[in-house]
Amino acid sequence: ETGVTQTPRHLVMGMTNKKSLKCEQHLGHNAMYWYKQSAKKPLELMFVYSLEERVENNSVPSRFSPECPNSSHLFLHLHTLQPEDSALYLCASSQTWGSEKLFFGSGTQLSVL
Amino acid sequence: AQKVTQAQTEISVVEKEDVTLDCVYETRDTTYYLFWYKQPPSGELVFLIRRNSFDEQNEISGRYSWNFQKSTSSFNFTITASQVVDSAVYFCALSEAGNTDKLIFGTGTRLQVFP
Repeated sequence: ETGVTQTPRHLVMGMTNKKSLKCEQHLGHNAMYWYKQSAKKPLELMFVYSLEERVENNSVPSRFSPECPNSSHLFLHLHTLQPEDSALYLCASSQTWGSEKLFFGSGTQLSVL
Repeated sequence: AQKVTQAQTEISVVEKEDVTLDCVYETRDTTYYLFWYKQPPSGELVFLIRRNSFDEQNEISGRYSWNFQKSTSSFNFTITASQVVDSAVYFCALSEAGNTDKLIFGTGTRLQVFP
């Protein structure tokens, strides 16, 4: 079992749909992250949660809504997305916020039609 | 502003060749950390190494080695005797004083190793 698990692996949605991405970490970490990976662009940090509190929101549009119900789970709720939101969304965790070593999940490949 | 440049978009080599992945960074901080991550086809990024700005010693780990040169703001990664399993996208990254919420990634270099 991998340390950080993301579901689904692939998601296709229309611009009017509402969907959620799920991330679960089995490492006992206290910080979790959402990153966006677009083709030919650097990874972009979207959100950081530390001890279930959001500590960073990197100017992400409100159509992306994160939720961290406990230290092991992180969700990214999606609604009224745009085609340019199509990307690989990666979840990561670390022992503490500001810790140097991140552990990543395999990502959810999102396509917005 | 902080920035990481990986000028090589794609590199193809044949097994057993040595290959070097370039990374050039920009920062005004005197204390910073540099990272390399590997992203295999399965998607997850795998941490490879972290170096701090005060330690310019080169590091070797098996077939992997890293050359950190502050004078040229570079942190290059060499794979010796490459193998097919090394095929992946490799990301160089920079953070200030170890704060990963400020982790700045490069655009990555896709390495393909052919048998």
